Amino acid sequence: EIVLTQSPGTLSLSLGERATLSCRASQSFSSQLAWYQQKVGQAPRLLIFGASGRATGIPDRFSGGGSGTDFTLTISRLEPEDFAVYYCQQYASSPKTFGQGTKVEIK
Amino acid sequence: EVHLVESGGGLVQPGGSLRLSCAASGFTFSNYAMSWVRQGPGKGLAWVSGISGSGSNTYYADSVKGRFTISRDNSKNTLYLQVNSLRADDTAVYYCAKDRGDDSGYYYDHWGQGTLVTVSS
Repeated sequence: EIVLTQSPGTLSLSLGERATLSCRASQSFSSQLAWYQQKVGQAPRLLIFGASGRATGIPDRFSGGGSGTDFTLTISRLEPEDFAVYYCQQYASSPKTFGQGTKVEIK
Repeated sequence: EVHLVESGGGLVQPGGSLRLSCAASGFTFSNYAMSWVRQGPGKGLAWVSGISGSGSNTYYADSVKGRFTISRDNSKNTLYLQVNSLRADDTAVYYCAKDRGDDSGYYYDHWGQGTLVTVSS
């Protein structure tokens, strides 16, 4: 089973700042990594697939990158609606596993 | 527009059973694999089970193997999860999620709002 470790656990930033979230895998794979956003009381929403592809309707301030064991999600300029928990997920091998999440909070 | 609506959750005693349902609309249901993902209180996301578009392939997390059964009725556009021998650590919101492809190995492009299962005496 591929274990995903996200860091940091919590990111405290101000509006307009840049957020960089990390997802590290216990085994290498190419690009089968997705990122999801979850707000309090809501279902997760797909942001990024294939490590760097933006899902339909996702603003271009969200970008993903990386391959192998190290992946990142970057939010270029934080908007009020971006404060949420973000999860990475690998779908390279079964079982599909999630990271433990990074909470982006308002500083 | 894709819609996924879960139902069937509730309060159940340890050892009890429930049948969760997920009604799907807005896409050709039989063309896509579907999955159940759960989230315990205050916890992260955990994949539970998946099923191919045809229903011929099913997959389970080790923690639920032998207790949970996933199925689908493509004529009714509905996904099911039969959950038996429930334990306290099965308490969670259960989400159904649409896979991007017709079998395992894809990400989830749409999620339902979830149904809460509480296991307690």
